[in-house]
Amino acid sequence: SQKIEQNSEALNIQEGKTATLTCNYTNYSPAYLQWYRQDPGRGPVFLLLIRENEKEKRKERLKVTFDTTLKQSLFHITASQPADSATYLCALDGRDDKIIFGKGTRLHILP
Amino acid sequence: KAGVTQTPRYLIKTRGQQVTLSCSPISGHRSVSWYQQTPGQGLQFLFEYFSETQRNKGNFPGRFSGRQFSNSRSEMNVSTLELGDSALYLCASSTSGAYNYNEQFFGPGTRLTVL
Repeated sequence: SQKIEQNSEALNIQEGKTATLTCNYTNYSPAYLQWYRQDPGRGPVFLLLIRENEKEKRKERLKVTFDTTLKQSLFHITASQPADSATYLCALDGRDDKIIFGKGTRLHILP
Repeated sequence: KAGVTQTPRYLIKTRGQQVTLSCSPISGHRSVSWYQQTPGQGLQFLFEYFSETQRNKGNFPGRFSGRQFSNSRSEMNVSTLELGDSALYLCASSTSGAYNYNEQFFGPGTRLTVL
């Protein structure tokens, strides 16, 4: 069955550094992959979508890469700030058009 | 533009009862998807409605059902509640569907606790 994994439950990064989050998937080739941010007590907020034929996408301090050979997406936040602390979720379109989410990585940016 | 709203925000029920949750999508959005979020399983897809029709369904038992009205508002119902149904229930709306490369806009969720 399709499986999506985010590298770690929690990640601590010093303010100003680049935070890199990993999303791996198996047993499937998604047409696209999305990244969301979720703050406590709130619903996820869409950040970026990258398609299977795209290698990289950027939005301000955010960058997403998509390696269909490695079956992996990397999500980078450059010049990280304490306000970037949140849970980040990756999601892909699974078989039968069902979207599948990873369990998320809790990112803590330390001042 | 108002965001996705969900009511109620918090709910406490006992085992065996049933519950109905409501979601009002962003104006103009015809697709509403429902998700269950728990610490152990993460965010799991329940079902998606588009123009009053269920277009897709996740792997949940038949106790979980939903519907969509002509104004795109949606409700989901859980019957015969079990302790394991305690979760944050999120709805998300989009212009054309959860799987059509479109951004989904999530509501704040309904926190359901089953005692």
